Amino acid sequence: DAKTTQPTSMDCAEGRAANLPCNHSTISGNEYVYWYRQIHSQGPQYIIHGLKNNETNEMASLIITEDRKSSTLILPHATLRDTAVYYCIVRVAQNNAGNMLTFGGGTRLMVKP
Amino acid sequence: EAQVTQNPRYLITVTGKKLTVTCSQNMNHEYMSWYRQDPGLGLRQIYYSMNVEVTDKGDVPEGYKVSRKEKRNFPLILESPSPNQTSLYFCASSRYRWADGELFFGEGSRLTVL
Repeated sequence: DAKTTQPTSMDCAEGRAANLPCNHSTISGNEYVYWYRQIHSQGPQYIIHGLKNNETNEMASLIITEDRKSSTLILPHATLRDTAVYYCIVRVAQNNAGNMLTFGGGTRLMVKP
Repeated sequence: EAQVTQNPRYLITVTGKKLTVTCSQNMNHEYMSWYRQDPGLGLRQIYYSMNVEVTDKGDVPEGYKVSRKEKRNFPLILESPSPNQTSLYFCASSRYRWADGELFFGEGSRLTVL
């Protein structure tokens, strides 16, 4: 699975959009981009995933660049409860060589009042 | 409510005293997995299971055993715990046989081995 690079930390004002970038320049054509978050030692929580097209659900939007070398997770109206570590993960589907999610360091997002 | 349930949530034990951390999911999921989380090392997979009676090692399996006798349960066994197994443990499950789509995580079990 391709390696990802994320900023260590970011701040966002409550009510504003939080835009979390992820670089995955070595991504291959069959690798999906996943986003998870972990709120203070709780179990990680799935947010969204995509392959090529932009995706949106009730939690967030995922914007993937046309060359797929980077992506951005957007929380449209951040709240204090969105303060967490956000993980960007790249993974080949049905990968018997590594049947796991590989969590890197993630981005620590602090939402401030 | 769809959930992954781990027990115990907190445990302090002593070196060498066998313990089991239970994990149960109520979603009829195929895939189950155990991770440990340590400061500076992130989340690392210990073992996983793609189906009943099918288990395989993750990145850090030493010192652990697992079993998958029923689809819903995936206990983590520490036969002879040591202090380096002090960690925060998470169980996870997925509807697929792979760690694809949405992976559901339990609330975590914080284990301290003295």
